[in-house]
Amino acid sequence: EAGVAQSPRYKIIEKRQSVAFWCNPISGHATLYWYQQILGQGPKLLIQFQNNGVVDDSQLPKDRFSAERLKGVDSTLKIQPAKLEDSAVYLCASRPTGISYNEQFFGPGTRLTVL
Amino acid sequence: QKEVEQDPGPLSVPEGAIVSLNCTYSNSAFQYFMWYRQYSRKGPELLMYTYSSGNKEDGRFTAQVDKSSKYISLFIRDSQPSDSATYLCAMSETGTALIFGKGTTLSVSS
Repeated sequence: EAGVAQSPRYKIIEKRQSVAFWCNPISGHATLYWYQQILGQGPKLLIQFQNNGVVDDSQLPKDRFSAERLKGVDSTLKIQPAKLEDSAVYLCASRPTGISYNEQFFGPGTRLTVL
Repeated sequence: QKEVEQDPGPLSVPEGAIVSLNCTYSNSAFQYFMWYRQYSRKGPELLMYTYSSGNKEDGRFTAQVDKSSKYISLFIRDSQPSDSATYLCAMSETGTALIFGKGTTLSVSS
């Protein structure tokens, strides 16, 4: 079974520029998450999708971050404009339907550096 | 107070040592407790999970949950250099997103 795919793996931009990340979850996983992991911290949820609908985006800085999951499969996360404090690893995770516990499968992440 | 606090900080042990990692939490509604392992430049992967209170053992790893004290632990016996990674505790209520601790970076030297 293929894992969660993310691209690009690394991205360096200057502040005020825009950037987009892509995620392809494990086939059949209805729930998709985007997390932000700042160096030395645990992942923090940005947004959760169930199929193509948003379940939780309470911690998404909506003035600059946006995310979509068209057709309930792939997802993109965009930052516009980027700030220095957005430097972090952006992790995508997916979860299968029908299990009682909250196991999430993570991709390798996109490491963003904002200069 | 953060919702989940994780101790200790960076940890270095010799091969064969017993390692103890801990998290405390404030939300009594948490029901699912997990430990994820994250190797450098990789995404976290689930190591162990426990539902509600109790112990769970898997090979050299033991997870404990004490809901009355809002305290969870992960023990690693006979630690190996391949165990060198960051260990993240994570927990959630039913149907909600995971809340992670900050992680403990473990280094096991041979």
